[in-house]
Amino acid sequence: QVQLQESGPGLVKPSETLSLTCTVSGVFGDSISNYYWSWIRQPPGKALEWIGYVCCSGSAIYNPSLKSRVIISIDTSNNQFSLRLRSVTAADTAVYYCARQRMVRGLIWDFDSWGQGTLVTVSS
Amino acid sequence: DIQMTQSPSSLSASVGDRVTLTCRASQDISNDLAWYQQKPGKAPKSLIYATSNLQSGVPLKFSGSGSGTDFTLTISSLQTEDFATYYCQQYNSYPYTFGQGTKLEIK
Repeated sequence: QVQLQESGPGLVKPSETLSLTCTVSGVFGDSISNYYWSWIRQPPGKALEWIGYVCCSGSAIYNPSLKSRVIISIDTSNNQFSLRLRSVTAADTAVYYCARQRMVRGLIWDFDSWGQGTLVTVSS
Repeated sequence: DIQMTQSPSSLSASVGDRVTLTCRASQDISNDLAWYQQKPGKAPKSLIYATSNLQSGVPLKFSGSGSGTDFTLTISSLQTEDFATYYCQQYNSYPYTFGQGTKLEIK
């Protein structure tokens, strides 16, 4: 059974870069390159927001609302993928989740496995 | 972006009740809709994908239906562990978007 675990600083200063890593275990074939991997965030008391995904070769798709500030990358040798969000403000304070996207007949569907989430607070 | 609107935003129900939650998309998303359950302080948990397919291990008391723009999640015979917030999500087009959630509370 796949497991995901987020890691990274819980406190980031305004204008700096938020960096998180998701470590994946239990993937079929022991390679994360066979799947699509997303970051999703949830501000306190609010709804979920998809940030973007990365796959296999490192290609990524981002939410246009964050596209100018975000990079998602993948390290298949270490079964990890990462999120970098630059120029953060208090509005970026949220629980950040990493998740795997279900794939059916080569199509990317919903999120079938999630990490436990990590709270990142933006504050000086 | 496709807007996902859930109703009601909160719902009070009793153990043993049958409840139906609604999700409406701002444009046709075919059947590219998923439902998640989230309990306080926990990550969302996949319940249903492709409108009506149960995630492995999810009890049969959960069921989903709909197509196009209007979708429902029905929970039959509520138990205490079912009281949570439920989110719908479309994966028909980028960016993927979620509804604002329906909080199911014990009456």
